[in-house]
Parts: sequence; C-alpha cells; structure tokens
Amino acid sequence: RKEVEQDPGPFNVPEGATVAFNCTYSNSASQSFFWYRQDCRKEPKLLMSVYSSGNEDGRFTAQLNRASQYISLLIRDSKLSDSATYLCVAPPRAYSGTYKYIFGTGTRLKVLA
Amino acid sequence: NAGVTQTPKFQVLKTGQSMTLQCAQDMNHNSMYWYRQDPGMGLRLIYYSASEGTTDKGEVPNGYNVSRLNKREFSLRLESAAPSQTSVYFCATEGGRGPIYSDTQYFGPGTRLTVL
Repeated sequence: RKEVEQDPGPFNVPEGATVAFNCTYSNSASQSFFWYRQDCRKEPKLLMSVYSSGNEDGRFTAQLNRASQYISLLIRDSKLSDSATYLCVAPPRAYSGTYKYIFGTGTRLKVLA
Repeated sequence: NAGVTQTPKFQVLKTGQSMTLQCAQDMNHNSMYWYRQDPGMGLRLIYYSASEGTTDKGEVPNGYNVSRLNKREFSLRLESAAPSQTSVYFCATEGGRGPIYSDTQYFGPGTRLTVL
C-alpha cells in the first residue's frame, strides 16, 4: 500500500458545484498534512495545512480523519480558476529524524463553464 | 524577496552531456530538496540537504550528484545525461520544524530538461 494515495481523477465539475477529494494515508502516527495546488507544468504551491482540528479558508475546507486515516478537501462554489491538480502531502514528523515529505500523485480537477 | 529561484528554466541535452541545475533561496531556510516529476509518477525525491554542509540521498539518486555550496545554494549535477532523466526538476526548501509539526515546503519554478 502506498504511504499516501489519491484518486487521480479527473473530476469534471460544473462551475459553482461543490467537489470533494479524499487522500488516504498508511502511517497512523502522522498528525499533520498539507494540500498543495499544482497548475499544469508549474511548481506546487501550498493551499492549506491540515491538523486534527481541520482547517477552513474561504471556499476550501480540509479535514483529517485519524480513525479512518484519510484527509479530505472540500471546494465549494467551484471557479474555473480552481482547475488544477491537488496534491496531498504528509510531512516528516518533528524529531522523527527524517526529512522526507510523502507526496500523493495528485487529483486532477477540471471546472467546466 | 525572490523566494526560491532555479536556473535554467529549460534545457535540452544530448545523451552523455553533463550539466548543473542551480537553485538558490533567500528565505534563510536550513533544509533544501531536489525532486523530479514525471507524468503519472508524482514528485520523487532525488537528494536533500538538512543543513549547510550535509547532503543525503532520496528515492532516486542514481545518475545525480549534489552540492550544498552554502546556506542559500543547492545544485544538482547530471554527470552523463540519459534519456531516462528527461523530466521536470523542482528545488524546494523547508520552513523548519516546530515541537510537533514540520513546516511546508516552498518550491522553485522548475527546470524542464529534455535528454535526446
């Protein structure tokens, strides 16, 4: 089983729709995650951090479900500009002695006019 | 404040040629990373440097060497390029470690390398 797994999509949704992605992880000790956004052939950029309390930023909500070991990203009122690939990332735990960030392969979202 | 910069943006090499990809940051971060990204493969770690003067191998180090010249700069060298090294290369820094959580990574714009 991969350490971080994502449905590659694509998720094709109409403008204004609500869409949700999940990301599953295998290391039960992980306590925090990141969602990155990556536009075609551009660098990944941080969208939001996810801790046990979840996170909300405008139209974006991220939740961490430790019991079922998945992270979710909810996008409300989708915009054309939300079309991108969304990467789920597990950072190294502090004092773990590792510097390795674990990246999912990404979920592609296409918002249609 | 440029963040993380990479040069060159694009490069075409012939098999067997060598080149160095440059990465520089002005964020005063200790840790720096080199990744490659291939279609459908996601980001794969080539090498990282936890701090100035140290480097360690990642998942796919074969065919590459690195130098952490100083705190700001981390270069990636291909000694004898192969077509399998055609990829997009990203440099990244890490914001640091708190008592529990690690900070996010900050990526450069990437170098698109084609090896013929």
